[in-house]
Amino acid sequence: NAGVTQTPKFQVLKTGQSMTLQCAQDMNHNSMYWYRQDPGMGLRLIYYSASEGTTDKGEVPNGYNVSRLNKREFSLRLESAAPSQTSVYFCASSEAYRGGEKLFFGSGTQLSVL
Amino acid sequence: AQTVTQSQPEMSVQEAETVTLSCTYDTSESDYYLFWYKQPPSRQMILVIRQEAYKQQNATENRFSVNFQKAAKSFSLKISDSQLGDAAMYFCAYRSASGVSSNMLTFGGGTRLMVKP
Repeated sequence: NAGVTQTPKFQVLKTGQSMTLQCAQDMNHNSMYWYRQDPGMGLRLIYYSASEGTTDKGEVPNGYNVSRLNKREFSLRLESAAPSQTSVYFCASSEAYRGGEKLFFGSGTQLSVL
Repeated sequence: AQTVTQSQPEMSVQEAETVTLSCTYDTSESDYYLFWYKQPPSRQMILVIRQEAYKQQNATENRFSVNFQKAAKSFSLKISDSQLGDAAMYFCAYRSASGVSSNMLTFGGGTRLMVKP
């Protein structure tokens, strides 16, 4: 039972470099999400995809782009990394796009931008 | 916009005793969901308990229960018979039941719970 799988688990970038965080879920969920976690601030939503073929901005989308490649996969891209993007990134999925739905989280990607 | 506040950055409890983690939130909505998530050192986010705002009865999951005070906008988590495995960061979260705001979970800043043997 893999659930939500994120790669890589750790990454160090230099300012200005680009990278893509990969996320895949095997639960046939419709909705997928990208969050970032910073100390003392909990998790904040970057982008989400309510269903295959749609993506929308969350609370902190600036500096990021996403692609819902298919129902299973939802990637997050940093085009030109900045030190402010140093954070732990979580991908999550849920069966449906409703307020009370349980989210299943991946184990996170720790990203450092120097 | 909704906000969620956890006023206790750290809490400590003796094994087998009871501890209560506090959470308050600010909203003008009447229908919403509240959650407590646990994040152990593995970083995995695990749903502990969920409360629907229109239900007056407090949610309970085994040793975990909540005290939901809708008028006071308070949503505390009680952990009974604390175990070493309960040591983790705990996040309170809010989600609207409908509309644009239902897109996202709004999280509090977290409370680190330490369990002493």
